[in-house]
Amino acid sequence: GDSVTQMEGPVTLSEEAFLTINCTYTATGYPSLFWYVQYPGEGLQLLLKATKADDKGSNKGFEATYRKETTSFHLEKGSVQVSDSAVYFCALSIYNQGGKLIFGQGTELSVKP
Amino acid sequence: DAGITQSPRHKVTETGTPVTLRCHQTENHRYMYWYRQDPGHGLRLIHYSYGVKDTDKGEVSDGYSVSRSKTEDFLLTLESATSSQTSVYFCAISEGGSNQPQHFGDGTRLSIL
Repeated sequence: GDSVTQMEGPVTLSEEAFLTINCTYTATGYPSLFWYVQYPGEGLQLLLKATKADDKGSNKGFEATYRKETTSFHLEKGSVQVSDSAVYFCALSIYNQGGKLIFGQGTELSVKP
Repeated sequence: DAGITQSPRHKVTETGTPVTLRCHQTENHRYMYWYRQDPGHGLRLIHYSYGVKDTDKGEVSDGYSVSRSKTEDFLLTLESATSSQTSVYFCAISEGGSNQPQHFGDGTRLSIL
């Protein structure tokens, strides 16, 4: 079945470090791919998305490229800030399935000053 | 922020009691979703709705029922709560389509003793 696998956390970085959170997926159809972020005590917020192969989603300094050949959608940021501390979720949605999201297990990021 | 309100925000109840969670939206979106969030599992879809009185099961629907009598309200009911249903529940809305993002409420923390 369709699934998403993320690198396990927690990930701890110093401020201004480079961030990569790995995400790979398995899908029978043609998925759209998403990254969501969850701050403590809040719901999930869309961070970025890509809807077809080779698309790059970007927002707030974060980027991810839809790689069909490696079935990956890794999240990157060049210089993290303390305010980026949160849990990050990779998710996919399959065409013609009601927009249902399938999530990875989440990766907790902690950025230290 | 998308107009999504979940109620209650916190609830503690006993095993065997019925529980109803409410999701209310002001965006007039067609699709509404209920997820549960548990450590190590990310978010998993319980049920979703694609219109008034139109609902379908998700990945973890056993023990849950839903109803949608109006566009703006989507109710999740645990007919006889069990301790395994202790979780954080999130409602989400979407205009529909696999490339459309979902917008999430702030969640309901449910504890079943």
